Parts: sequence; C-alpha cells; structure tokens
Amino acid sequence: SAVISQKPSRDICQRGTSLTIQCQVDSQVTMMFWYRQQPGQSLTLIATANQGSEATYESGFVIDKFPISRPNLTFSTLTVSNMSPEDSSIYLCSVGVDTQYFGPGTRLTVL
Amino acid sequence: SQQGEEDPQALSIQEGENATMNCSYKTSINNLQWYRQNSGRGLVHLILIRSNEREKHSGRLRVTLDTSKKSSSLLITASRAADTASYFCATLWDYKLSFGAGTTVTVRA
Repeated sequence: SAVISQKPSRDICQRGTSLTIQCQVDSQVTMMFWYRQQPGQSLTLIATANQGSEATYESGFVIDKFPISRPNLTFSTLTVSNMSPEDSSIYLCSVGVDTQYFGPGTRLTVL
Repeated sequence: SQQGEEDPQALSIQEGENATMNCSYKTSINNLQWYRQNSGRGLVHLILIRSNEREKHSGRLRVTLDTSKKSSSLLITASRAADTASYFCATLWDYKLSFGAGTTVTVRA
C-alpha cells in the first residue's frame, strides 16, 4: 500500500482567507482523489485529480472554490478558497484505482 | 455522494463480544470496501470484497456481500477496546468511492 502524507495536519483560519493543503505519495500514482468530511459526517468526494489533465469535480463542488493542482505523479494540492465557517471539515486525499488508501487528513477550522 | 445507509448508527458492546454492522447501497459496484476511522483521523483500509464474491475473511473480520439485496455486513469477532472507532463501508464504481454514513462502535472493557 502507498504511504501518504498531508500538510498541514490541522489549521485554524479566518473567514475570507484561503488554505492550500498538500498531499504527497511515496510512489507514482495515476489517480488521486480529494474528499471532505464535515463534522460528524461521512466522506464526500470533492474531485479526481489526474496528472496532466484538469481535475474532475463532483456535483456541488466547483473549481473556483476548490482549485486543485497535480504537477506530477506523487503530489497534489487542494486549495480551499474564500473560506467560511461551513468549510470547517477534515480534508483527505487518497490514491488507488481498486483499493483506495487515505492520507491522515487535514483538520480545518474556520472562524 | 452518499451511497446509502449503515445500520446501526451506533453500537456499544462488551470486550470479547462480536460486533456486526450492515451497509446498504443503491447503485452498481465494482467492489465494496470497509474502513476504520479513529477519532476523526485518517481512514484505515480493512477489507475489500469484489462484486463477484459473497464472503471474505481477514483475521477477526468477516465480510459478506449480497448484490441481489445491495447489502453488505461486517462482523468483528472477539472485540477489543482498540476496536473502538467509526466504521465506514464504501462502494467503488468507475474508480470513485461512495461512502455510507458510518457506524460508531464502542467496546467497553
């Protein structure tokens, strides 16, 4: 299984600001995914990030709010833009085309 | 998007007892996976069962899949305090995972 790290592990941010979350994998992977877990809820897929192409967003998520970069096969970033308290969540990246493995998550609190 | 229901929402058992949780889903699947999450941390992959399989075992875990009923169950035998966590089922289709609502399991010493 892949070893996945995320930075930062947690952050507290002011509304109206933006935060970029990094996801690093220890091996080259084609597909990377970003999920959101709102407090007390399950996980919801935000987007799929493939290297060399634009990210594909799920219904309810837009590129202006959650821009994603995928510069190479081991790294991706997710930016949460113009944050509001409703963006307070755990954000997780994952990799894998059959079995998916998850990073440790970034716990974001927006005041 | 949320795939379906998990039942029960919460479960409290004594150490050494078995824990069973169920998952229902709505659409086609390639496989179904179970994950564990401790205190809002990252997800740990537990077991995967493919759509053409009916039962799978891994250590103290037993998973069943009934595609005709679009349901799965996870059995944890001889539970331990360390099994206290939230458990999520997730169905895979077209490389995307859809998660159930989760079952919170508390194992009392």
